[in-house]
Amino acid sequence: NAGVTQTPKFRVLKTGQSMTLLCAQDMNHEYMYWYRQDPGMGLRLIHYSVGEGTTAKGEVPDGYNVSRLKKQNFLLGLESAAPSQTSVYFCASAGDRGRSQPQHFGDGTRLSIL
Amino acid sequence: GNSVTQMEGPVTLSEEAFLTINCTYTATGYPSLFWYVQYPGEGLQLLLKATKADDKGSNKGFEATYRKETTSFHLEKGSVQVSDSAVYFCALKRGSDNYGQNFVFGPGTRLSVLP
Repeated sequence: NAGVTQTPKFRVLKTGQSMTLLCAQDMNHEYMYWYRQDPGMGLRLIHYSVGEGTTAKGEVPDGYNVSRLKKQNFLLGLESAAPSQTSVYFCASAGDRGRSQPQHFGDGTRLSIL
Repeated sequence: GNSVTQMEGPVTLSEEAFLTINCTYTATGYPSLFWYVQYPGEGLQLLLKATKADDKGSNKGFEATYRKETTSFHLEKGSVQVSDSAVYFCALKRGSDNYGQNFVFGPGTRLSVLP
């Protein structure tokens, strides 16, 4: 029962470095999401995808890019990391847009930018 | 707009105490309502859900009833355990064309249960 898998689980970067966070789901879900979670801020939507080959901006997209080349994978990229991007990043997926369908979350990637 | 409001935490209880975490929402149409739980160092896990008015969701001793007249979905448990210590998120999902952003999460309520 893998569900949603995020890699890596932890990473420390220096300001200006780039990296890619990988999210993989094995539930054949159409919809995938990237959130960031910061103390006192709850969950904030960065980008999302409603199907293979599609992406769209969420609430806080600046400084991030995403790609959904395969249905099961959703990549989040930081081109030039900044300390303000220190956060815990969560990927989620949902089967369809029906209102009864919940989101399924990965365990998160803890990212520190020095 | 659509929003979810939760009681501010942290909530600290003794083991076997009764738990209530309040959640109220504002939404157009008829959303589904969810409670998620996040244990330390982990992602959010679905705890329970309700999809229409007067529905009761339940799981692991937790319950919540969809109250349309008061736009509420309060989480309750009769006797909490130390292992229930976590952050609890109330959320709604609308069925709409804006399906990418139709999930709305509350800010979370941290629960600490002391032995």
